[in-house]
Amino acid sequence: QQQVKQSPQSLIVQKGGISIINCAYENTAFDYFPWYQQFPGKGPALLIAIRPDVSEKKEGRFTISFNKSAKQFSLHIMDSQPGDSATYFCAASKGSNYQLIWGAGTKLIIKP
Amino acid sequence: DADVTQTPRNRITKTGKRIMLECSQTKGHDRMYWYRQDPGLGLRLIYYSFDVKDINKGEISDGYSVSRQAQAKFSLSLESAIPNQTALYFCATSATGSPREAFFGQGTRLTVV
Repeated sequence: QQQVKQSPQSLIVQKGGISIINCAYENTAFDYFPWYQQFPGKGPALLIAIRPDVSEKKEGRFTISFNKSAKQFSLHIMDSQPGDSATYFCAASKGSNYQLIWGAGTKLIIKP
Repeated sequence: DADVTQTPRNRITKTGKRIMLECSQTKGHDRMYWYRQDPGLGLRLIYYSFDVKDINKGEISDGYSVSRQAQAKFSLSLESAIPNQTALYFCATSATGSPREAFFGQGTRLTVV
């Protein structure tokens, strides 16, 4: 049973466009929602994260939008660049052991 | 040099063989994790350890075992490898003071034939 559903599986965006990746969760006990970026041959790396007490967090060209009532959160990449081409994972965690529950990933390709 | 180092990076093994994947870290973190990554499934937690004397099963621990030899070393063993254990394996660490930020190694691609 997948507790964090991520879409789309793959995404192609033109350079300079906006990339949007969506995630939905089921468990209202989740209280931390990170996005990780993974380049080929590398491990995932934390990109940006949000807690449910805020609706938006921005770091440079990357923004997380969070909708607590809909149990959804999304990653927006503004002015997408070829160097942003990677696989992006959303995740969620709860509880004292802080285990991460991961989405299935989105392969993003930015076309020059 | 990588803060979280996994060895080997690639391994092909036969069904039924025992194999160990090793992870060492120089970040000084107490918490260490082993994940498995499969296409379309994201990452799934196999085992995790919050300190040298602490070992916990994750979501998919069957067929795997771990050993935390020191604060900096955490190894994953497949006692009798089977083809559906073919996957990309990642070791990760996090600090007790910032437990939700995980730092990953570069992964071990394991193929069981």
